[in-house]
Amino acid sequence: AQSVTQLDSHVSVSEGTPVLLRCNYSSSYSPSLFWYVQHPNKGLQLLLKYTSAATLVKGINGFEAEFKKSETSFHLTKPSAHMSDAAEYFCVVSEYGNKLVFGAGTILRVKS
Amino acid sequence: EAQVTQNPRYLITVTGKKLTVTCSQNMNHEYMSWYRQDPGLGLRQIYYSMNVEVTDKGDVPEGYKVSRKEKRNFPLILESPSPNQTSLYFCASSWGTSGEQETQYFGPGTRLLVL
Repeated sequence: AQSVTQLDSHVSVSEGTPVLLRCNYSSSYSPSLFWYVQHPNKGLQLLLKYTSAATLVKGINGFEAEFKKSETSFHLTKPSAHMSDAAEYFCVVSEYGNKLVFGAGTILRVKS
Repeated sequence: EAQVTQNPRYLITVTGKKLTVTCSQNMNHEYMSWYRQDPGLGLRQIYYSMNVEVTDKGDVPEGYKVSRKEKRNFPLILESPSPNQTSLYFCASSWGTSGEQETQYFGPGTRLLVL
């Protein structure tokens, strides 16, 4: 079975500094990987998706993620945090049949 | 506007009183799914449906039922709710189950409190 580990439950950064949210996965085959974002009291929005094309995936709002098979990682980054980035972020792997397996989530706090 | 809608958005009920949470999508998606979100656990799949009249259990199906009589609708039924079903519920849908078709789009969520 596939699994996802988000290495930090909370991350705090200052506005204008880089963001790094870490994610490791386990999979028995080439997975599809996603990052979703959930703002307070909102639904989930797709940030970006990896499906074995380019290993560096660009998403919305300046986020990107790099797929590293040797490290089984899919970390999410952004060069400069904005106050509106404060939210909970989920790393997700898709199993066969489109079942999504979610990490436990990382809450990003952005300080002014 | 392409979207997944859920109703109600908030619900307070008592143990044992049957309830239904509706989910509807207007994108002609084949695949639909229900998840529950609990703190520190992320989202876990309850049930999914590959197409009309085709449903199957996810990871946490106990205490829930679903049906898929029409392509656009996928209601979640709690026949006898219990307090451990207090949670935030999300419905999601996608065109298919692989490649570009597998991206799931989520509804706004339904927050359920069972007393």
